[in-house]
Amino acid sequence: EVQLVESGGGLVQPGGSLRLSCVASGFTFNNYWMDWFRQAPGKGLEWVAKIKQDGSEKHYLDSVKGRFTISRDNAKNSLYLQMNNLGAEDTAVYYCVKVGNSGWTTDFWGQGTRVIVSS
Amino acid sequence: IVMTQSPLSLTVTPGEPASISCRSSQSLLHTNGYNYLDWYLQKPGQSPQLLMYLSSYRASGVPDRFSGSGSGTDFTLKISRVEAEDVGVYYCMQALQIPLTFGGGTKVEVK
Repeated sequence: EVQLVESGGGLVQPGGSLRLSCVASGFTFNNYWMDWFRQAPGKGLEWVAKIKQDGSEKHYLDSVKGRFTISRDNAKNSLYLQMNNLGAEDTAVYYCVKVGNSGWTTDFWGQGTRVIVSS
Repeated sequence: IVMTQSPLSLTVTPGEPASISCRSSQSLLHTNGYNYLDWYLQKPGQSPQLLMYLSSYRASGVPDRFSGSGSGTDFTLKISRVEAEDVGVYYCMQALQIPLTFGGGTKVEVK
């Protein structure tokens, strides 16, 4: 059974940093691209970042470039999102997501971890 | 790529059909002949789940009352007979190019 368990969310002040983690199980982690998506309170879904199987290729939403860094540790079946210089607009539930075998289609989402940026 | 969904919300009687439209600002038809359009359902209090991919392929475990169609820039998700468990917000997403983008969502309620 595929499982993605996120952690690391919480309350942080504007300008602060946070590191999200996601532990994967139930599939061969190093065979798949992985993504982070987010959902602001009461809003729709937004893609944030993606990383290739070996970590050699990364892509970011324009509004987080230079502030967020996606990474992975295949030995630990783990995905990370380092978030710096956070602003109120980054307040959201962040989802760790497995990319499937068809284009960029995602086929499994974690339950999410909530990030609140507020003073 | 900008994704536009309609309607914003839908209230359906159990057993009746429902249809949701999604339009993209650019064609989602790849040179390989596939349309890179996905449909997701986010049930209340849950994370999104994949329903359809490549416009018309049902994801594993998705009931056959769900169907997807369309090509290029116009797509439709149909539920042949809505059930109570189908409530939630439905999103289309283009899976063709980065950044991945979603429609604004369609909230489906059951009477």
